[in-house]
Amino acid sequence: QQQVKQSPQSLIVQKGGISIINCAYENTAFDYFPWYQQFPGKGPALLIAIRPDVSEKKEGRFTISFNKSAKQFSLHIMDSQPGDSATYFCAGRGDSGYALNFGKGTSLLVTP
Amino acid sequence: DTAVSQTPKYLVTQMGNDKSIKCEQNLGHDTMYWYKQDSKKFLKIMFSYNNKELIINETVPNRFSPKSPDKAHLNLHINSLELGDSAVYFCASSRSADTQYFGPGTRLTVL
Repeated sequence: QQQVKQSPQSLIVQKGGISIINCAYENTAFDYFPWYQQFPGKGPALLIAIRPDVSEKKEGRFTISFNKSAKQFSLHIMDSQPGDSATYFCAGRGDSGYALNFGKGTSLLVTP
Repeated sequence: DTAVSQTPKYLVTQMGNDKSIKCEQNLGHDTMYWYKQDSKKFLKIMFSYNNKELIINETVPNRFSPKSPDKAHLNLHINSLELGDSAVYFCASSRSADTQYFGPGTRLTVL
């Protein structure tokens, strides 16, 4: 059962544009929602994370918007750069052993 | 300094063989994990260890057996490898509920 649904599967954005990736979750026990960035041949690396008592978190060009009532959250990448081209994963952490439940990933391509 | 390391990076083997993947973290973390990333890049938790004790064992075949000799190491042993085991396996670690740091992955190919 997919506990975190992520869309779109792929995204092409021009340099300087805004990239938006959306996620929805089902498990209300999730207490932590990270976004991971993965480059080809590398392991995922934490980009930014939010807890459900906060509606928005911003770090540099990256912003998470969180809607607890709708059980949705999204990643906004402002002023997207070619170096941002990677696969992005949203996740929710449940109350069982800290394991992350990942979305299926979004492949982002930022064109020059 | 490498925070979470895995060996080997690539593993090519025949069906039916037994293989192991090693993971070490030098972050002083108390919790370690194994995740499997399939050909469609979907990441799924397999195991979670806290202070050398198994706390999560998802629906993984018995052919997969994790072993944690100490808090800094979590190895994955796979018996009787099958074609469907081909994937990238990631080790990760965290200090309890804090950020999880992933290793570089081990690409397993079963022929």
